[in-house]
Amino acid sequence: GENVEQHPSTLSVQEGDSAVIKCTYSDSASNYFPWYKQELGKGPQLIIDIRSNVGEKKDQRIAVTLNKTAKHFSLHITETQPEDSAVYFCAASDYAGNMLTFGGGTRLMVKP
Amino acid sequence: NAGVMQNPRHLVRRRGQEARLRCSPMKGHSHVYWYRQLPEEGLKFMVYLQKENIIDESGMPKERFSAEFPKEGPSILRIQQVVRGDSAAYFCASSTGTGVLYEQYFGPGTRLTVT
Repeated sequence: GENVEQHPSTLSVQEGDSAVIKCTYSDSASNYFPWYKQELGKGPQLIIDIRSNVGEKKDQRIAVTLNKTAKHFSLHITETQPEDSAVYFCAASDYAGNMLTFGGGTRLMVKP
Repeated sequence: NAGVMQNPRHLVRRRGQEARLRCSPMKGHSHVYWYRQLPEEGLKFMVYLQKENIIDESGMPKERFSAEFPKEGPSILRIQQVVRGDSAAYFCASSTGTGVLYEQYFGPGTRLTVT
C-alpha cells in the first residue's frame, strides 16, 4: 500500500518568513495530493491540492509543487502570519474521492 | 451551507461499553469516509461508504468495529466492547463522489476517551 512521509515534524519561523514542508510517497499510482491544515481541537481543513497532470499550483500565499519522477511534493507558505500556526498534513491517493494516506504532520509555529 | 457534522463531539466510555459515533455529510454529498487519529499522529483511513454500501473497509479492525450509511440518516461508526486503545479522535469526511474533482471535506471530529 501507499506510504507517505512528511518532514519536518516541527517548524518554527518568524512572521513574514517562508515555510516549506516536504512529503514523499511510495506508490507511483498516486495521482492526487491534498494538503490539510488542522487547528487545535478542530477537523482538518483542505487548503490546497494538486493533481498529477500539473507540476505547481498557487493560491495567494500558498503554493504546492509536485515532482512525480522523484515522488515528492511540497507545500510553500510565503509571508507567514501567526494565524498560519497549526498542524499541516499532506496526503496521497490514486484519485480524489478515494481513501487518503496521510503523512505524520508538521507542527508549524509562526512567531510574531 | 452546513459542513460535515459529527456528534457527539466528546464521548467518554468505560471499558466494555459500546460507542456510537454519528456523521452527517455535507448537503449533496453521498460518500462518507471515516479516519482515526491517535494523539500526536496522522490520520489513518478506516472505511469508505456510499449510501447502503461499504466500498472499502480495508482500514477497519477486524473485530468490534462496524460502520453503516443507511438510506436515511447519518453514517454511524460503532465500536463494541471498547478498550483503552480505542481512545482517539475519529473524523468523518464526505465528498460528492469519486473521480478527478471530488475533494474530501472533514467534520470537527469525535474525541473518544475510554476509561
